[in-house]
Amino acid sequence: EVQLVVSGGDLVQPGGSLRLSCAASGFTYSDHYIEWVRQGPGKGLEWVAVSRSKANGATTEYAASVQGRFTISRDDSKNSLYLQMNSLKTEDTAVYYCARDFDNQGVWFFDLWGRGTPVTVSS
Amino acid sequence: IQLTQSPSSLSAFAGDRVTITCRASQDISSYLAWYQQKPGKAPKLLIYGASTLQSGVPSRFSGSGSGTDFTLTINGLQPEDFATYYCQYLRDYPITFGQGTRLEIK
Repeated sequence: EVQLVVSGGDLVQPGGSLRLSCAASGFTYSDHYIEWVRQGPGKGLEWVAVSRSKANGATTEYAASVQGRFTISRDDSKNSLYLQMNSLKTEDTAVYYCARDFDNQGVWFFDLWGRGTPVTVSS
Repeated sequence: IQLTQSPSSLSAFAGDRVTITCRASQDISSYLAWYQQKPGKAPKLLIYGASTLQSGVPSRFSGSGSGTDFTLTINGLQPEDFATYYCQYLRDYPITFGQGTRLEIK
């Protein structure tokens, strides 16, 4: 089955760290751009970060709100990538999703989403 | 690029036709997608390229527009359509979403 499984969400204190996992099955994640999106309580969707495909250098980009605090890493052997979140703030509290970014002849869209994992930053 | 959806919320009866608008802060050609999200669930892709229906999505959903003004139309609302809808720009980073339109049953 083609799917993304997101895990690792937890309750963490401000200033703490957490690592989220996004495991792909049914396809090779490194063939695609994989995006991270979050949704704060009662709020809309916010793009967080991207890991580009291996063919595009596996480079990363981050939203300004997390730049310098969040880092994406990859494990090709596990068909997984990770979002390392450091120096967490209360405003990072959200459900975190990973999603596959699909390219249909130059038109992009998020065609596959993981279920999301909740992160709560609170003392 | 900023995306502004209107209205922020909408009430309608089953069977109604509804239209949601998404306005971009600058010309984004047709690099716009629409998603549906139900409580506690991940978003689901409805439309990409402004007007192309994703496989498996009912034909009562349609999208139109280009440049800065886009619409999502649902013809003949079904009970399962009551959800929150988001537009999304994806051509450059940062990717942006509209603030969402909550569609409620009247």
